[in-house]
Formats: sequence, C-alpha cells, structure tokens
Amino acid sequence: SQQGEEDPQALSIQEGENATMNCSYKTSINNLQWYRQNSGRGLVHLILIRSNEREKHSGRLRVTLDTSKKSSSLLITASRAADTASYFCATDAGTGFQKLVFGTGTRLLVSP
Amino acid sequence: KAGVTQTPRYLIKTRGQQVTLSCSPISGHRSVSWYQQTPGQGLQFLFEYFSETQRNKGNFPGRFSGRQFSNSRSEMNVSTLELGDSALYLCASSLETGGSDTQYFGPGTRLTVL
Repeated sequence: SQQGEEDPQALSIQEGENATMNCSYKTSINNLQWYRQNSGRGLVHLILIRSNEREKHSGRLRVTLDTSKKSSSLLITASRAADTASYFCATDAGTGFQKLVFGTGTRLLVSP
Repeated sequence: KAGVTQTPRYLIKTRGQQVTLSCSPISGHRSVSWYQQTPGQGLQFLFEYFSETQRNKGNFPGRFSGRQFSNSRSEMNVSTLELGDSALYLCASSLETGGSDTQYFGPGTRLTVL
C-alpha cells in the first residue's frame, strides 16, 4: 500500500511559472525524499529532507516539511519544458531502513 | 562513478515462465532494494538486501525472490509468471550509513507477461 497521497494528480503550467506539489503521508518518518521520473524510466533523486528539518533548497527546488501535519511540498521555480515528468514523494515510514513508501505521484506538464 | 545498472532493460515472457533480473549498484553501495511499478498499484517495495542478507520484504507472494552477492550485485527472480506481474522493476542502491539514506535508482527492467 502507498504511504502518501500527492496533490494535485496532474498539473499543467507554462514555462517560467512556478509549480507546487503537495504530499501527505500517514506515519511518522525519519526523512522524506522527492524523486522525478521521466515517462516510464528510472527515478531521479531530487532532494532528501530529514524529520528535524523544515525547509531545504536545491537549485530551483524548495522543499518544506511539516511533521505535525504529516505533509511536504515541492516547489519548482521558473519551470522549464525539461521539468515535464512525474514527481513522487517517498518516506521511510519511520523504519530507518532502506524501504521507501511512495506517494501516488504528480504528473507535471510544462508547455513552452 | 557509474550509476545503478539493470539488465535486461526489456523482457517479454509468457505466463508460467520464470524470469531473473539483475542489478549492479553504485560502487561502494552495500544496500540494494527492489521496487515494482504498475499503473494500478504505483511504486511498491519488494525487498532489500544488505551484505547478502534480506533485511526487509514487502507484501509480495513467495514467487518473488531475490539474492545479493558478495560484490553487492543483486538478482531478483519471479517464478510462475502471471499477467499481473507485467511491470517496471526498479532497483535502487544506497550507501547505508546506519539510517535511511538517499536511494539511487537504475533505469528499470520493463517486464511484459503475455
């Protein structure tokens, strides 16, 4: 079963706009990770945020984590057509092991 | 460093057959995990190996098995294939520093069962 739900399921924006995706999860966690997947290919790791962190930045990416609400958001600023992909959040479900529980994913379409 | 590699990239099998998929982790990574991705169930954890031992197992039938070799390379096997086993199988490796770490995924093996 999947740990989390992502919202929205699909998002369509223009190049240059910002894209925000939200992830909710069910159990306590040690960390939360965001991944990108291009059209049925492997997952590319974007960012990891630990449970004692509230915000993290990496290039055009900004991730927030609210453990009290069991939610996280991923913001992509100044989006590009190359950002078109599916984005997944994943948690370790508090196990501390290498067992990720994935959300349902958000499909992002960035039009030129 | 080379990334995670998976072979083969594509497979077509028929029901009842068995299949073996291979994964080579990033050099130095000792943990290898396997995931199944389907349109209906999404990404689901199959199992994780560390130092040739299975540490975690997901909720999959015994037809799904795996192993890890001393060089950290891993294989997974699916016996008596069913149509529902058609999926993208992803392997991931991590450094394993004592807690949950970033997992780096391979390109996947696309299995089609006819």
